[in-house]
Formats: sequence, structure tokens, C-alpha cells
Amino acid sequence: ETGVTQTPRHLVMGMTNKKSLKCEQHLGHNAMYWYKQSAKKPLELMFVYSLEERVENNSVPSRFSPECPNSSHLFLHLHTLQPEDSALYLCASSQWVQQPQHFGDGTRLSIL
Amino acid sequence: EDKVVQSPLSLVVHEGDTVTLNCSYEVTNFRSLLWYKQEKKAPTFLFMLTSSGIEKKSGRLSSILDKKELFSILNITATQTGDSAVYLCAATTGTASKLTFGTGTRLQVTL
Repeated sequence: ETGVTQTPRHLVMGMTNKKSLKCEQHLGHNAMYWYKQSAKKPLELMFVYSLEERVENNSVPSRFSPECPNSSHLFLHLHTLQPEDSALYLCASSQWVQQPQHFGDGTRLSIL
Repeated sequence: EDKVVQSPLSLVVHEGDTVTLNCSYEVTNFRSLLWYKQEKKAPTFLFMLTSSGIEKKSGRLSSILDKKELFSILNITATQTGDSAVYLCAATTGTASKLTFGTGTRLQVTL
């Protein structure tokens, strides 16, 4: 139990579907992150939120839309995804940015 | 472009061996280097290094940073099968939120 919970654990969707990934942290942290992990590629930082404000957007396509309604919750809204978007999506949190991050177990996303 | 390179890509050792994992980085405005262990899903934090030459130690694991030569090593002594995992290295840079990961070293410890 890492204190960071991601749902769902697995998601299969078509390219025209709209779905959302959810992340919740119970650690009282102020920063939250979305990462993409594809096979044989480094973890890719997608978005960073600090105190509910987005502070980093690493040139992520607009078909990925993050939302941080409060410091404990982070969402990743997905629409019209492509097959190359199939990957493990990891959420993480830290006390503040630059502090070590605690990761969730991820959502395994498959795009048909 | 910021880059973190880990070597070897994979490694198989026998239980009881000592291993050294390498991480080199080329990043703008380096701040710190972090090591994580990823067994199944969630990477777990091991070390954060900010100063050169100061070893950090946790049980059989230790790590050190060389900011002149731009690399870090992670040592594991007396390896156990439970050490089998992917070990990730990451560099934080410039603005506080930027973090660049390497591809990881996959370590397998056999009996």
C-alpha cells in the first residue's frame, strides 16, 4: 500500500470512446503527477500539479486532459486516443515538487 | 534535450553477489538524482542524491553521486531474490517540477 490509489487497474477502450483515469492520494501531499510508461521506453512525465495548479505540461497531446479538483485527487480524461497511447499510466504524489514521489500501481490502458 | 542513460539494460546474478548499477545524465540545471525500484507496478523510492561524493546507505543498498563526471551508481551487496526488479534512475532539473527518467536496469537474482 503506497498511499496512492489508481482506478481502474485495467482499461480497454476504442479510439472513439471517452474515459477517465482517477488517482487519489492519502498522504497529505501537495504535488501530483501523471506519467506514461511504455514498453522499453523511459517513464515520461506528462503533467504536474502543485497546490491544484498545473505547473508542467510536457507537450502532451490535447486528447489527454488532466484535472485536479483538490490536492488529494487527480484525473486524466481521455478522448479519441490512438493505439500508440496504449501504456501503463502512473500517478504519483510528493510533499512538494522536487521531493521524492510516491507512485500508485498504475492503470494499464489498451486502445483497440 | 535532457537525457538519462542507465547501464546495463539487464543483469542476471546469483544470490549473494554484489552488483553495481550505473546512471549517467546530461541535463540542464541539474538539481538532484533519484533512484527507484519497480517490482511489479508502482516504483518505490530508494534514494535522493544532491551532493557529490556523499554516500547514502540503506541496508544492503548504497548510492553515490559524482556531479563532476555526471553519474551515479547504485550498489547492492549480498543480493537476494527479492532484489529482482527494474531499477530506475531519474534527474530533476531546472524548474522544480521537471524529472527525466532513464529506461531502467532489469536485475534478476537467481538461486
